[in-house]
Amino acid sequence: KNEVEQSPQNLTAQEGEFITINCSYSVGISALHWLQQHPGGGIVSLFMLSSGKKKHGRLIATINIQEKHSSLHITASHPRDSAVYICAVNSGGGADGLTFGKGTHLIIQP
Amino acid sequence: GAVVSQHPSWVICKSGTSVKIECRSLDFQATTMFWYRQFPKQSLMLMATSNEGSKATYEQGVEKDKFLINHASLTLSTLTVTSAHPEDSSFYICSARLIYEQYFGPGTRLTVT
Repeated sequence: KNEVEQSPQNLTAQEGEFITINCSYSVGISALHWLQQHPGGGIVSLFMLSSGKKKHGRLIATINIQEKHSSLHITASHPRDSAVYICAVNSGGGADGLTFGKGTHLIIQP
Repeated sequence: GAVVSQHPSWVICKSGTSVKIECRSLDFQATTMFWYRQFPKQSLMLMATSNEGSKATYEQGVEKDKFLINHASLTLSTLTVTSAHPEDSSFYICSARLIYEQYFGPGTRLTVT
């Protein structure tokens, strides 16, 4: 069983819809990351969380440490948000490499 | 923001040859860099942790004699795939750590024929 589980695996929505992607993990962590991977493969770090909630533009990330769960929300979704969104965790002291979920493939249709 | 580059962005090589991939932090010094591998439709997997001036730490199942990592300076780590086989064809991504953030390179797509 993967230490990091994401849902859904695939999501297709219409432009403007509110999007939620979920991530559950089974190990103790020092931080959780949300990453965005575009078709060419390049990865952009969206958020790093150790508690609470962060917002950047139309993106919001939350984490519940007790429940070992995090969500990534996209408000007013746009076709350019189409990408793979990946949840990853640091299970060490922050200096360790990441353990990744399998990603959520998001398509926003105009 | 912190920028990490990789070179080359893609490479095709023949089975049995060696390929070197470079990872550079362009505007910051990184004492730790990480190498990841991603097979099609799979999640990224950590291969090794590269520390400047010391030997890399490899994850279980990753052959250290096949995937040679050198971290000679605070801004450069290299991954050499030796005696490449078609099953080594993959997308290789590095990241560089700045405090607790990791900044990712654009990746290198390796195809071994």
